[in-house]
Amino acid sequence: GDSVTQMEGPVTLSEEAFLTINCTYTATGYPSLFWYVQYPGEGLQLLLKATKADDKGSNKGFEATYRKETTSFHLEKGSVQVSDSAVYFCSTSYGKLTFGQGTILTVHP
Amino acid sequence: GAGVSQSPSNKVTEKGKDVELRCDPISGHTALYWYRQSLGQGLEFLIYFQGNSAPDKSGLPSDRFSAERTGGSVSTLTIQRTQQEDSAVYLCASSLNSNTGELFFGEGSRLTVL
Repeated sequence: GDSVTQMEGPVTLSEEAFLTINCTYTATGYPSLFWYVQYPGEGLQLLLKATKADDKGSNKGFEATYRKETTSFHLEKGSVQVSDSAVYFCSTSYGKLTFGQGTILTVHP
Repeated sequence: GAGVSQSPSNKVTEKGKDVELRCDPISGHTALYWYRQSLGQGLEFLIYFQGNSAPDKSGLPSDRFSAERTGGSVSTLTIQRTQQEDSAVYLCASSLNSNTGELFFGEGSRLTVL
């Protein structure tokens, strides 16, 4: 079945640092790929998505590119803020959504 | 309402008791999902419903777990004879259909089994 392997955390950065959270997937066919975010005390929400190869999803300064050749969907942000502190989940969809283990990001001022 | 609503938000129960968790999805969403999030763990898929099709129950961890969705809307997740390892946050999500992959989550029901 489909699966997602996500960079293990936690990740701790200083404000304005560059962020990369790695995500690779295995799937039959051509799934859509997603990053979800869970801010402290809040429910999960969609951060960005890509539905086909070479698509780039972007939102709130975050970007991820659907790389079919490397089966990856790494999340990047050029300059993180304290408010980006959250848990980030990579996921793939082919019917039910399959999630990675989540990466805890803490950004210090 | 505007979002996915779950109740109760917190439930403390004794080992061996039955519990019911409720989910009210976004109106018009045909797909409904249940996930479990344990402390320090990722999201564990439990079950999903798509329209009138038979639900995908492949993630239910044991026969103590069951779920139903009445009238294509509200869903109830039932855990019988609760065990301490059932303690977790149970998340419900809905989407327009199971092909979009864009899920809208509720805030979860935190279950603590003593």
